[in-house]
Amino acid sequence: EVQLLESGGGLVQPGGSLRVSCVASAFTFSTYGMSWVRQAPGKGLEWVSSISGSGGSTYYADSVKGRFTISRDNSKNTLYLQMNSLRAEDTAVYYCAKYKFSAAYYFDYWGQGTLVTVSS
Amino acid sequence: QTVVTQEPSFSVSPGGTVTLTCGLSSGSVSTSYYPSWYQQTPGQAPRTLIYSTNTRSSGVPDRFSGSILGNKAALTITGAQTDDESHYYCVLYMGSGISVFGGGTKLTVL
Repeated sequence: EVQLLESGGGLVQPGGSLRVSCVASAFTFSTYGMSWVRQAPGKGLEWVSSISGSGGSTYYADSVKGRFTISRDNSKNTLYLQMNSLRAEDTAVYYCAKYKFSAAYYFDYWGQGTLVTVSS
Repeated sequence: QTVVTQEPSFSVSPGGTVTLTCGLSSGSVSTSYYPSWYQQTPGQAPRTLIYSTNTRSSGVPDRFSGSILGNKAALTITGAQTDDESHYYCVLYMGSGISVFGGGTKLTVL
């Protein structure tokens, strides 16, 4: 069974940095795209970023472009999201999702999420 | 900026049929946007229901179906059950690796 386990969330001050991680299991990690989706408290879901299986292609929502960096280590079956210049509006649960890129474009498995709180 | 629109809320009686829609602030939704649908109950991770307009994800009951209705994508629940009371989100693929979520529909079954 596909499992995605996020970690690394926590409290960070505005302007600070944080890296969240997602360890994947039960599928060939390097052959699948991955994504981060977030959900602010009491709000809807928002796509944040996606990365191809090789890591050679990355994509970002305008709201995080230039501040967040998605990456992956296929030898460790791990996805990362480096978040810099954090703002209060980045406070959210960050979900890792397995992503189908070609001819489908959807999130097929989800982790349970990790909470990032940006506050002084 | 493209906005994906969904009804904020909807209500259905147990056993009834409901159709939720997913539109664009400008233009029509077609299969080229690869509409997908997700269910989320409070405190839980999303669950994938439908992808590529009308393909059910593994394990999803056949009372959930997807389609294009007019200029929108649609999720129809036939024979609604109390367990179906959730938030439902659609996603449209905009190309160039960009996906956009709708604001979500809160479905009440009563």
